[in-house]
Amino acid sequence: AQTVTQSQPEMSVQEAETVTLSCTYDTSESDYYLFWYKQPPSRQMILVIRQEAYKQQNATENRFSVNFQKAAKSFSLKISDSQLGDAAMYFCAYRNYGGSQGNLIFGKGTKLSVKP
Amino acid sequence: DAGVTQSPTHLIKTRGQQVTLRCSPKSGHDTVSWYQQALGQGPQFIFQYYEEEERQRGNFPDRFSGHQFPNYSSELNVNALLLGDSALYLCASSLGGHNEQFFGPGTRLTVL
Repeated sequence: AQTVTQSQPEMSVQEAETVTLSCTYDTSESDYYLFWYKQPPSRQMILVIRQEAYKQQNATENRFSVNFQKAAKSFSLKISDSQLGDAAMYFCAYRNYGGSQGNLIFGKGTKLSVKP
Repeated sequence: DAGVTQSPTHLIKTRGQQVTLRCSPKSGHDTVSWYQQALGQGPQFIFQYYEEEERQRGNFPDRFSGHQFPNYSSELNVNALLLGDSALYLCASSLGGHNEQFFGPGTRLTVL
């Protein structure tokens, strides 16, 4: 079974600085998707960024980028120029590619605080 | 364009009771997935509905059941509630089972 591990329960960053959130996963599949979701206090889960395992290029969305290391099964999220609105729970998630397994598998999350 | 909506927002029940949670998918979506998020944990997959049938199920007991209606909306039913069922229940919709899932704001269930 696939698992997702986030080893940082809490992280803190100064406004305008850069922070990196860590995620490792375990799977025997070769094709899959990886995601970072943001969950603010409003509780609504919002997709931040997504990576297809078959793509070697790391995904980037504005201030958010990932470092995808397939061999190491590592998928970290870098947030540049941190803003107060970035404060939230961040979840790393995995999903198989195709087949009957369309569900997301989440890590336990990292709580990010942004200091003004 | 309305996103995923869930009702009610909050719910308080006592042990042994039954509860029904509701979800309306994003316009154009035909698949609904349900997740349980206990306090301090990541969401855990309960089941997924497509074409009014349960297509996939996570490691949850039969006390958890669901339904999908012809308009793609969905219900999650939990029977014989336990204290451990207290959680945030998230609904996510997608177009097909393997496309991006859009989440609703969740229903906070408290079992006393």
